[in-house]
Amino acid sequence: EDQVTQSPEALRLQEGESSSLNCSYTVSGLRGLFWYRQDPGKGPEFLFTLYSAGEEKEKERLKATLTKKESFLHITAPKPEDSATYLCAVQAMFSGGYNKLIFGAGTRLAVHP
Amino acid sequence: SAVISQKPSRDICQRGTSLTIQCQVDSQVTMMFWYRQQPGQSLTLIATANQGSEATYESGFVIDKFPISRPNLTFSTLTVSNMSPEDSSIYLCSVVGNTGELFFGEGSRLTVL
Repeated sequence: EDQVTQSPEALRLQEGESSSLNCSYTVSGLRGLFWYRQDPGKGPEFLFTLYSAGEEKEKERLKATLTKKESFLHITAPKPEDSATYLCAVQAMFSGGYNKLIFGAGTRLAVHP
Repeated sequence: SAVISQKPSRDICQRGTSLTIQCQVDSQVTMMFWYRQQPGQSLTLIATANQGSEATYESGFVIDKFPISRPNLTFSTLTVSNMSPEDSSIYLCSVVGNTGELFFGEGSRLTVL
C-alpha cells in the first residue's frame, strides 16, 4: 500500500536556526513528490515537485531534495513568517489517467524570534 | 497557476441538514478534485469530478452522502448531506497544474453542531 510518513510532527525553531523536515514514502513507482505549505485556515500552497532521486529544488530559504525512499525539506535561517504546516504528497505510477496524490500528515513548524 | 474560489469559506450547521459548497476556477479544467481535511489530519481525496460524467468516488465515500455536480469546465459543487459532527472538516477543491501538481482553493471550513 502506498504510504507517506512525515517527521517530526511538530518542530519549534529559533529564528535563524536551520533544520530539515523528513518525508519518507513507500509507493509502487514514484511519478512525483510534492511539497506544500499550509497556513492556518487556508488551502495548501504548492512549493515544489521532485521527480527523480538526486533532484533538488530551491525557493528562498527552502530546498527540497529527493532520494529513492525519502525527501527532505531543508529550511535555512528560518524567519517567523516560515511558520506553517508543511505537507508532503506522492503520486504513484499508473497506466493512464490522473493519479491521485497521497498526503502525509504534515509537520507543524513554529519559528520564534 | 489557477485561481480557485470557494464558497462559503466557513459555516456552522445543524446536525441532519445539508450544505452545498461551490468551487469556481478561473480557467477551463478537465478534472476537479474534492478533498477533506479533518481536524489535525492530512488531506483525503473524496472524489474526482469530470465535466459531463458522474464523479468517481474514493473508497469510504459515497454519492448519497457527498453528491457532486460538474455542470461546466470551470465550476463544481460538493454537497455534504445529512450532516453529523463527524463531518466537521475543511473541504477543499483542487485542480491539476501543467506538471501534475495540485492547486487548491482556500477551503470551506464546516462545523456541525
